[in-house]
Amino acid sequence: TQLLEQSPQFLSIQEGENLTVYCNSSSVFSSLQWYRQEPGEGPVLLVTVVTGGEVKKLKRLTFQFGDARKDSSLHITAAQPGDTGLYLCAGRTGANNLFFGTGTRLTVIP
Amino acid sequence: SAVISQKPSRDICQRGTSLTIQCQVDSQVTMMFWYRQQPGQSLTLIATANQGSEATYESGFVIDKFPISRPNLTFSTLTVSNMSPEDSSIYLCSVDLNKGDGYTFGSGTRLTVV
Repeated sequence: TQLLEQSPQFLSIQEGENLTVYCNSSSVFSSLQWYRQEPGEGPVLLVTVVTGGEVKKLKRLTFQFGDARKDSSLHITAAQPGDTGLYLCAGRTGANNLFFGTGTRLTVIP
Repeated sequence: SAVISQKPSRDICQRGTSLTIQCQVDSQVTMMFWYRQQPGQSLTLIATANQGSEATYESGFVIDKFPISRPNLTFSTLTVSNMSPEDSSIYLCSVDLNKGDGYTFGSGTRLTVV
């Protein structure tokens, strides 16, 4: 099992603030994905990063894959209440399995 | 992306009984994945189900406790056997269509063992 540690585990912020979530591992991944999960639903893919150093932007969300493909970050600008949810990073090794990080539960307070 | 129907959506079961969870996909897929999500935690891969062969289990999970069936390319079941309160979790099935869309998940089965 590949271990992906996310920090922080919990985050509660005011609407309009910025935040960064980190995903770290000692393993190298061929790709890394970020998902968001809302209560009563399965996780939904936000982005996939493949190349070391890659940066992807999705509206107010910016994702970065570390140069060594062992870590990643998710930055949210001007958080909205609709951003509330459980954020999960997930790394894929050479096999087809996808291993999930420990999760960051974000609450954005109006 | 694929549509996955998972049922039951929730159940409350007695200790010592078994529950079978069904997962139906609207397209043919080679591999289906079963995950467990304990309360407030992330997802842990239980096993990978391939059509026509035995499922591959991750460390800490065994076939006797979590038997899996995969009779065709669109359907799979996971049974949680001889349940105890520690088995109370959300169980999710998922597929990867290899189209760059990531894994698609069912909405999960919330199991409570009393």
